[in-house]
Amino acid sequence: GAGVSQSPSNKVTEKGKDVELRCDPISGHTALYWYRQRLGQGLEFLIYFQGNSAPDKSGLPSDRFSAERTGESVSTLTIQRTQQEDSAVYLCASSLVGGGNEKLFFGSGTQLSVL
Amino acid sequence: ELKVEQNPLFLSMQEGKNYTIYCNYSTTSDRLYWYRQDPGKSLESLFVLLSNGAVKQEGRLMASLDTKARLSTLHITAAVHDLSATYFCAGRLDGGGSQGNLIFGKGTKLSVKP
Repeated sequence: GAGVSQSPSNKVTEKGKDVELRCDPISGHTALYWYRQRLGQGLEFLIYFQGNSAPDKSGLPSDRFSAERTGESVSTLTIQRTQQEDSAVYLCASSLVGGGNEKLFFGSGTQLSVL
Repeated sequence: ELKVEQNPLFLSMQEGKNYTIYCNYSTTSDRLYWYRQDPGKSLESLFVLLSNGAVKQEGRLMASLDTKARLSTLHITAAVHDLSATYFCAGRLDGGGSQGNLIFGKGTKLSVKP
């Protein structure tokens, strides 16, 4: 597609349930990022994938959070046993690597509400 | 650890006025990014600054980078209402292990009033 696509755009879930968020990066972009943005706050880094390298998981807040990426395509972010503090917008971004620019292109995000 | 601080966090200005948003970062960063976010929308890339002294301009916005002072500025000239948005700066560790990880500031919420 022309841009980064995320689904669903909105997700309401009950505390304790698992959720899965999906990100389709721009075709050809080898780098993929997940960020979390709480209401009125900045972006909090979660995880970064680059090609076949081991992902940088240093931003994942707990072991309830995990993410996978198939090759250089779709990524899924899974949150197990959701808590109310997980409520936020989850943003995915992709970029090319190399060339000195590496501008990130963001998706529209998934608004997660945990009741 | 790279920390990025923006100020002010909130800025209300009148149309036609000039102002500057500041972005300080705590350790060497090999590039500095500016993004814009409209309410309810995702982030849009504005500028990527790659080296000391870099200056980029688009329309009423001009961004600069001083790596020695660890400071980037976003200058707004003759503000118009359409510039109302939240502006984020982000840095990336210089040669750090997390090559891809951008660290964002908290954002500056700009409101331009007639």
